[in-house]
Amino acid sequence: DAGVTQSPTHLIKTRGQQVTLRCSPKSGHDTVSWYQQALGQGPQFIFQYYEEEERQRGNFPDRFSGHQFPNYSSELNVNALLLGDSALYLCASSRLWTGAAEQYFGPGTRLTVT
Amino acid sequence: DQQVKQNSPSLSVQEGRISILNCDYTNSMFDYFLWYKKYPAEGPTFLISISSIKDKNEDGRFTVFLNKSAKHLSLHIVPSQPGDSAVYFCAASDLTGNQFYFGTGTSLTVIP
Repeated sequence: DAGVTQSPTHLIKTRGQQVTLRCSPKSGHDTVSWYQQALGQGPQFIFQYYEEEERQRGNFPDRFSGHQFPNYSSELNVNALLLGDSALYLCASSRLWTGAAEQYFGPGTRLTVT
Repeated sequence: DQQVKQNSPSLSVQEGRISILNCDYTNSMFDYFLWYKKYPAEGPTFLISISSIKDKNEDGRFTVFLNKSAKHLSLHIVPSQPGDSAVYFCAASDLTGNQFYFGTGTSLTVIP
């Protein structure tokens, strides 16, 4: 059983560009959350998707948007990239209402903005 | 605004001794607390949790203590093993569990 997978592993972009990161949840999971982890910091919640809709959003600008597909996979899009967007982006999947203990994280995508 | 704080960036402990990792929070609405363990190039892995109705939860070598009045929790690892060397994150949420707030992590090194 594959766990949470994310692609790509690493990505280098230039300021002002747009980027799309992808996440496939663990089998049986229907909820996907995205986190940003800057260097030396803990993960910060970006948003959560369930039934193809954004359920909850953290304190991130509208440049950060997402999508969830019928197969529960998800994308994170970031427009007009800033140097400060350089971070590890983590995807976590779970089943709604099962609690945080059932939240599984992927290995992350390392985004570098130059 | 950092609502969950881990003030010790790193900790070194001899194998077999106790490791104590600390975490403080500021939001009194938090009702559920978790510890995650993270190895390099991997995502965080759930370790142990505690709800606000308890003051202690134990799972094998790992015990989490919660002091609600002090808004403080700690993770005890006894005995510590070299394989425990990793970054440990404390996280908290309200009852909905929709959004988790993470601390900045403590890097634990267990010396053989």
